[in-house]
Amino acid sequence: DVKVTQSSRYLVKRTGEKVFLECVQDMDHENMFWYRQDPGLGLRLIYFSYDVKMKEKGDIPEGYSVSREKKERFSLILESASTNQTSMYLCASSLWGTTRDSRATGELFFGEGSRLTVL
Amino acid sequence: GENVEQHPSTLSVQEGDSAVIKCTYSDSASNYFPWYKQELGKGPQLIIDIRSNVGEKKDQRIAVTLNKTAKHFSLHITETQPEDSAVYFCAASQHYKLSFGAGTTVTVRA
Repeated sequence: DVKVTQSSRYLVKRTGEKVFLECVQDMDHENMFWYRQDPGLGLRLIYFSYDVKMKEKGDIPEGYSVSREKKERFSLILESASTNQTSMYLCASSLWGTTRDSRATGELFFGEGSRLTVL
Repeated sequence: GENVEQHPSTLSVQEGDSAVIKCTYSDSASNYFPWYKQELGKGPQLIIDIRSNVGEKKDQRIAVTLNKTAKHFSLHITETQPEDSAVYFCAASQHYKLSFGAGTTVTVRA
């Protein structure tokens, strides 16, 4: 089975702190994603990576950055956490579409989520 | 960009009855429509998907229908069981980037 592991299930941070959310997948998937889940808003894409050291902005990248130094690991970084970044963060990976122009999309495999509270 | 609307936001059904969730999308170029189920404390998991060259797809008790002309697609769950209680998300895309609906919380009453 594909396994996507998020390092922290629950985090509590203070405004202005730097926050790292780590995600590791074990199926050699090219694509990795970070989504944010909020009630009534569904899942919104923050950043996407289709290869090592490659990244693309999603719908809500403001206030976030990402790092993908190894194929299996994709990190989400909040440079200076704010209260409006309190949310559930979901990491996902997928096998299809090795380029941004791919017309095919495959199954997303999600981690269990990291619930971040910023005080 | 793509905009996906999902209705209803909550749905309560008696065990054994059917449940229907409806989604509309805005981008006529979208060609892939998956449905994800999220159980409490877990990440979403794909349960069924459909591509634009197909009008209907069925997998045991779940089925998805697609109307490309009207730009809407629906999830049908028959003979609902307690384990069907979860949050369901529809999504649409034409390439790597999925746009998700807001989700439907389904509760199956025993």
